[in-house]
Amino acid sequence: AQSVAQPEDQVNVAEGNPLTVKCTYSVSGNPYLFWYVQYPNRGLQFLLKYITGDNLVKGSYGFEAEFNKSQTSFHLKKPSALVSDSALYFCAVRDEGTGFQKLVFGTGTRLLVSP
Amino acid sequence: DSGVTQTPKHLITATGQRVTLRCSPRSGDLSVYWYQQSLDQGLQFLIQYYNGEERAKGNILERFSAQQFPDLHSELNLSSLELGDSALYFCASSPRDSSTGELFFGEGSRLTVL
Repeated sequence: AQSVAQPEDQVNVAEGNPLTVKCTYSVSGNPYLFWYVQYPNRGLQFLLKYITGDNLVKGSYGFEAEFNKSQTSFHLKKPSALVSDSALYFCAVRDEGTGFQKLVFGTGTRLLVSP
Repeated sequence: DSGVTQTPKHLITATGQRVTLRCSPRSGDLSVYWYQQSLDQGLQFLIQYYNGEERAKGNILERFSAQQFPDLHSELNLSSLELGDSALYFCASSPRDSSTGELFFGEGSRLTVL
C-alpha cells in the first residue's frame, strides 16, 4: 500500500529564515505526491503536487517541494518564512486501485514561525 | 473558498445517538470523499463515491454509512455514537474519478459526542 511519513511533529523557524518540512514516501509504481496546508478551524488547502517532470515543483504562497527519487523524499520548502505560514502541513500520496483513487495522508507537521 | 460545502459546521450530541453530515461537492465534480480527522488517528480515509456509486472503502466503521444522491451531494450517517467518534469530518471532491489532480476539501463538520 502507498504511504507517506512525516518524521517531525513540529518545525520551528524564525520569520525570514528558510523552512523545510520533511516527507518520505513508499509507493509501488510512479508516485503522485501532494502537499496540503490546514489553518486553524479550516479545511485542507492544496499547495502543490508532483506527478512527473521537474523535480522542483512550485506551488501556492511561495512554497516549493523537491522530489528526490533516490531518497524517496518530497520535502516542502520556502526560502523565507512568514508568521502567517504557521499552520499544519500534510504530505499525501495518491493510492489507486481498480476504479478508484484516493489520497493517503501523513500524520501532519505543525509549522510554527516566530516573529 | 474551495466550493465544497459541509453542514453542519458544529454538532454536539450524546452517546448512542445518530447524526447525518451533509456535503455538497464543487459544481461539476463527480467524486466525493469522506475523511475523519482526530487527534490520535490523524486524517483517515473513510469512503469514496463516484457519480452515485461507492468506489472505495477505507477505515469506516460498520456503524457509519454514506451515500451519494443523484444531485451528487453526499451524506455521512453516524449511528450508535461513541465518545471516540468525536472528530472533524471532512468531505472532499474531485472532478474525475481517475484524475491526477488534487482533492478540494470542505471546512469540515466538527462532531462532539458527550
